[in-house]
Amino acid sequence: EAGVAQSPRYKIIEKRQSVAFWCNPISGHATLYWYQQILGQGPKLLIQFQNNGVVDDSQLPKDRFSAERLKGVDSTLKIQPAKLEDSAVYLCASSQPWAAGGVRLQYFGPGTRLTVL
Amino acid sequence: EDQVTQSPEALRLQEGESSSLNCSYTVSGLRGLFWYRQDPGKGPEFLFTLYSAGEEKEKERLKATLTKKESFLHITAPKPEDSATYLCAVAGGYQKVTFGIGTKLQVIP
Repeated sequence: EAGVAQSPRYKIIEKRQSVAFWCNPISGHATLYWYQQILGQGPKLLIQFQNNGVVDDSQLPKDRFSAERLKGVDSTLKIQPAKLEDSAVYLCASSQPWAAGGVRLQYFGPGTRLTVL
Repeated sequence: EDQVTQSPEALRLQEGESSSLNCSYTVSGLRGLFWYRQDPGKGPEFLFTLYSAGEEKEKERLKATLTKKESFLHITAPKPEDSATYLCAVAGGYQKVTFGIGTKLQVIP
């Protein structure tokens, strides 16, 4: 079974520029998550999709971050304009539509490391 | 708000020196507690899910346990390849998952 795919793996941009990340979840996984992981910290949920609908975006800085999941499969996360504090690894995860034992197990992609100069 | 606190933040062990990592949590309606392993430059890799107090799970040199307030990840006779950051996370109501900052483990030959 193929894992969660993300691209690019690395990105370096100047502050105030825009950037976009792409994620393709595991086939059949209806739920997709975007996390931000700052160096030395745990992943922080930015947005959660169920199919192509948003379930939770309470921690997404909506003035500069946006995300979409067209057709309920792959997803893009965009930052415009980027700030220095956006330097982090952006992780995408997906989970099956049903919950085993009451919880959905999340499978993570390799992440995109963003550096904002 | 759900909270996860992991300790220590970093741990250095000699090969074969057993130890435990701690994860204390507060969550409204625990649905499950997860342990993940994260290697540098990679995404978290699932290790265990625990659902209720008293539950234990094992995988090779790792054993995870759960109480009503905390979880432990016991590492028995670790090897250098066990070096990684170990993340603890809890799933509360509405399947929202909250992660701790992790424990960075280094096992020295």
